[in-house]
Amino acid sequence: AQSVTQLGSHVSVSEGALVLLRCNYSSSVPPYLFWYVQYPNQGLQLLLKYTSAATLVKGINGFEAEFKKSETSFHLTKPSAHMSDAAEYFCAVIVFGNEKLTFGTGTRLTIIP
Amino acid sequence: DAGVTQSPTHLIKTRGQQVTLRCSPKSGHDTVSWYQQALGQGPQFIFQYYEEEERQRGNFPDRFSGHQFPNYSSELNVNALLLGDSALYLCASSLQGVRIQQPQHFGDGTRLSIL
Repeated sequence: AQSVTQLGSHVSVSEGALVLLRCNYSSSVPPYLFWYVQYPNQGLQLLLKYTSAATLVKGINGFEAEFKKSETSFHLTKPSAHMSDAAEYFCAVIVFGNEKLTFGTGTRLTIIP
Repeated sequence: DAGVTQSPTHLIKTRGQQVTLRCSPKSGHDTVSWYQQALGQGPQFIFQYYEEEERQRGNFPDRFSGHQFPNYSSELNVNALLLGDSALYLCASSLQGVRIQQPQHFGDGTRLSIL
């Protein structure tokens, strides 16, 4: 079965610094990968998705992620953190043949003023 | 364009009771999935409905059941509630068929507390 592992349950960065949230996937077939963001007391909002087209995917709010098959990774980055980026971020995977969206345990991003 | 709507937003029940949660999908979507998100955890897939049938199911007991109506809205029912059922229940909708790569759109969830 497919799975994702998010390294670092908590990440803190200074405002204006680079944001890097790590996600590694495990799948025996080509995966479709997603990053979602969750603000307090809200549902999940899609940031970006990888669906086997371009390996560098750009999303909303200045976020992007790069699919690296050789490293089985799909890390999320943003060049300059903003206070409004403080939230919980989830990586998720789905594959043909086991069509259940599987989430990681999440990374809480804190922005230091 | 209305997104995914869930009701109620909060619910308090006691052990042994039964609960029904409701979800209206985003306009134009035909598939509804339900997730349980315990505090501090990622969402866990419960089941998915398409064409009024359960298509996929996660590792949840039969106490968890659902239904999809002809207008694509859905209900999640949980019987014999346990303390461990306390969680945020999220509904997500998508355009399905075989297009699993289509992203799922989430509602804001129902916070269920079991006393």
